[in-house]
Order: sequence, then structure tokens, then C-alpha cells
Amino acid sequence: GESVGLHLPTLSVQEGDNSIINCAYSNSASDYFIWYKQESGKGPQFIIDIRSNMDKRQGQRVTVLLNKTVKHLSLQIAATQPGDSAVYFCAETPYGNKLVFGAGTILRVKS
Amino acid sequence: SAVISQKPSRDICQRGTSLTIQCQVDSQVTMMFWYRQQPGQSLTLIATANQGSEATYESGFVIDKFPISRPNLTFSTLTVSNMSPEDSSIYLCSVEEASNYGYTFGSGTRLTVV
Repeated sequence: GESVGLHLPTLSVQEGDNSIINCAYSNSASDYFIWYKQESGKGPQFIIDIRSNMDKRQGQRVTVLLNKTVKHLSLQIAATQPGDSAVYFCAETPYGNKLVFGAGTILRVKS
Repeated sequence: SAVISQKPSRDICQRGTSLTIQCQVDSQVTMMFWYRQQPGQSLTLIATANQGSEATYESGFVIDKFPISRPNLTFSTLTVSNMSPEDSSIYLCSVEEASNYGYTFGSGTRLTVV
């Protein structure tokens, strides 16, 4: 199996600020990408997805940007709230419908 | 999106024993996936479980250690066999959504082997 990331990086932001979480994905053949939020003691929760024929997609308070040239994915959270504190994972589908997760990022929101 | 129930939610097991984790989905799904999440790490795919056929295992995972059953389109089990402390992890099942919700995950089974 594939897995990356032995130590999760941490992003600390002030409540109300915007957050940007970055992810470098591994396979140029991936055509579908998902951002997940995982809170302590819970499974990953779907936030937003994007297909490779798009470079930007917006949801409620979240935006995903995809740069296929450099294999980079980012998640932007507007007006970050304490409830956004969690671990965030990007995931890609390089092999059919198998989902491969990237290294997570811990988001800490300071009140 | 689909609702997934996993049992048990957590367990503490003696080394050398086996634990079977159950995953129940509230709708019929073609493919179910089992993941392992070691402490402080990302998720790693163990295997893909299709109804009516043997599970497909990822590199580094073998059927003798992680036997999987998939008796119907709403249920699957993962067994962690002959456990050692290194098997202490969160085990999660997941399904692919037909709608626009990507892949949905259960809440996981937190396993501690002592």
C-alpha cells in the first residue's frame, strides 16, 4: 500500500483568518482528487473534490485549486473557525477507483 | 451519502489473537475498501472487497494476515489475524459513492494490541 507522512505538519491560524493547506500529489495519471477532514476519533469526512479537467472548484467557505503542471493541490478555507480544527488529507485516484492518501496537515485555529 | 456503521469502535486485544471488524452500509455498493491508519499517520489502503469475488490486496498486505469477507452488497468484514503490537491502528472501511460525495468512510475501529 502507499502512504506518506510520518510526521504531520501543523498550520496554526487565527480565528477569522483564511487558511491554505497544500498537498503535493504523486501520480500525473490521477484524474480525481478529494480533500478530507478528520476530527479526533472519527473517520475522514468529505469536504470537496475536483476532477483533472478543472483547476478550481468552490464550495461553502472552501475552495480547491489544482495545478497539474506541478502536481499540486490546495485547500483554501475562508474565515477559519474553531470547528475547522482537524487533520486535513488530500487524496487522489491514480489507479482506477483506488483512493491514495497524501500526508495530512493538522490545522489549529486559535481563538 | 451512504451511512457506514463499523463494529467494534475500539478494542484492546492480546497478542496472538484475532479480531474481526464489521462494516455495514445502509445502501448497496459495488466496492468496499479497507484502510489502516497507524498512529499519527495517513491512511493506507489494505484491500478492495468486491461481492462474489476474492478481495484484492495492496502491496505489503496478505490474505492470511487480513482475511476479508464480502457476503453481500451491504456488508464486509476484515479480520486482523495473529495480532502483534505493530497492528495497533485505526482500521476504516470505505465505499465509493455513486453521487458526488467521493468516498465515504466509517468512523473506524481503534485497535490496541497488548
